[in-house]
Amino acid sequence: GIQVEQSPPDLILQEGANSTLRCNFSDSVNNLQWFHQNPWGQLINLFYIPSGTKQNGRLSATTVATERYSLLYISSSQTTDSGVYFCAVVINNDMRFGAGTRLTVKP
Amino acid sequence: DSGVTQTPKHLITATGQRVTLRCSPRSGDLSVYWYQQSLDQGLQFLIQYYNGEERAKGNILERFSAQQFPDLHSELNLSSLELGDSALYFCASSVGASGGFGRDEQFFGPGTRLTVL
Repeated sequence: GIQVEQSPPDLILQEGANSTLRCNFSDSVNNLQWFHQNPWGQLINLFYIPSGTKQNGRLSATTVATERYSLLYISSSQTTDSGVYFCAVVINNDMRFGAGTRLTVKP
Repeated sequence: DSGVTQTPKHLITATGQRVTLRCSPRSGDLSVYWYQQSLDQGLQFLIQYYNGEERAKGNILERFSAQQFPDLHSELNLSSLELGDSALYFCASSVGASGGFGRDEQFFGPGTRLTVL
């Protein structure tokens, strides 16, 4: 089946720093989404981005479908950005998640 | 608050038992999704319903089943429970109008934590 790999597995930043999270996938996909799970367990859907670039405030995402990767950029990070970021790919009406990147933003 | 409610919040049961998890979507949302999150398997998509019909199916065990009722709430039934079924079960909902699985913004409930002893 399709493999979804996220890197780095863990990331520690100082407040105000920028970061890039990567999601590689092994096959062509129909859709790709990014999610954030905060330290209290709440999941939030950040982006639906099968290709191209989208921006939402300090977060932006780029997917290059032909090269099978997606990037999530976090600028001017805040402590509230802490948590785990998951990418998920959709293929043939199934959704597969990566293992996530755990981000810790220190004040 | 996402507007998606899940009950119960916690559930402790024994191996071999059967449980039912309930999800009420946001007002106006027609799609409901179920996910399982465990330490071993990570996040896994289980199943999606749209307006009462199964729309997409993921890694859902045969011991598990779901349905969406006419009032759009959904239930996930887990039977013949095993220790490995212990996990956090999330429900999410979306408008479901854009067509195509995975294209809608999903709103997640707080989850039901299932512990199988």
